[in-house]
Amino acid sequence: KAGVTQTPRYLIKTRGQQVTLSCSPISGHRSVSWYQQTPGQGLQFLFEYFSETQRNKGNFPGRFSGRQFSNSRSEMNVSTLELGDSALYLCASSLGGVANTEAFFGQGTRLTVV
Amino acid sequence: GQSLEQPSEVTAVEGAIVQINCTYQTSGFYGLSWYQQHDGGAPTFLSYNGLDGLEETGRFSSFLSRSDSYGYLLLQELQMKDSASYFCASMDSSYKLIFGSGTRLLVRP
Repeated sequence: KAGVTQTPRYLIKTRGQQVTLSCSPISGHRSVSWYQQTPGQGLQFLFEYFSETQRNKGNFPGRFSGRQFSNSRSEMNVSTLELGDSALYLCASSLGGVANTEAFFGQGTRLTVV
Repeated sequence: GQSLEQPSEVTAVEGAIVQINCTYQTSGFYGLSWYQQHDGGAPTFLSYNGLDGLEETGRFSSFLSRSDSYGYLLLQELQMKDSASYFCASMDSSYKLIFGSGTRLLVRP
């Protein structure tokens, strides 16, 4: 079956602009989580969507938002970009059940803010 | 809150055994997972411990002790391709999957 697809793979934006990233989960997966990864850092949790509802949110400013559609595809949006937003943004899909914590990651979108 | 602590870097020789430790503090706990990430790649799932004890998958084993809030990943017969970052992760009672900061493993010839 097809894996998790993230688009675009690379993006260069200017400070102050906004950006939208897309994630298509594995078919049948209802949970999509987003993470920010910077060099030498772990995966910082942004938010998680399950059946079109935001179920969890990390400690990021309100400039970071997301949504999930009825087909489970998810988008995240970052407004008023700052230099510090440059990072690899990863999305992970899973069935969403508590007992199953296996998450499948996409290749990520590398965002560079200049 | 939820946090997972692991060493930042480990170096080992090809063919050796290495253990990567992880201690955690979570509000609600549903087991410990391990992920591998090669440079430039996506994290991939390695193992999951829902109960105390050892889980073995080929050269990799993972251990969990709930009473000690501690787990480890054991890699045997190290190969050069095992050079990567390894993350422990746990899910809390709100279904949030949180990762440790990662351990960079360098395998030397």
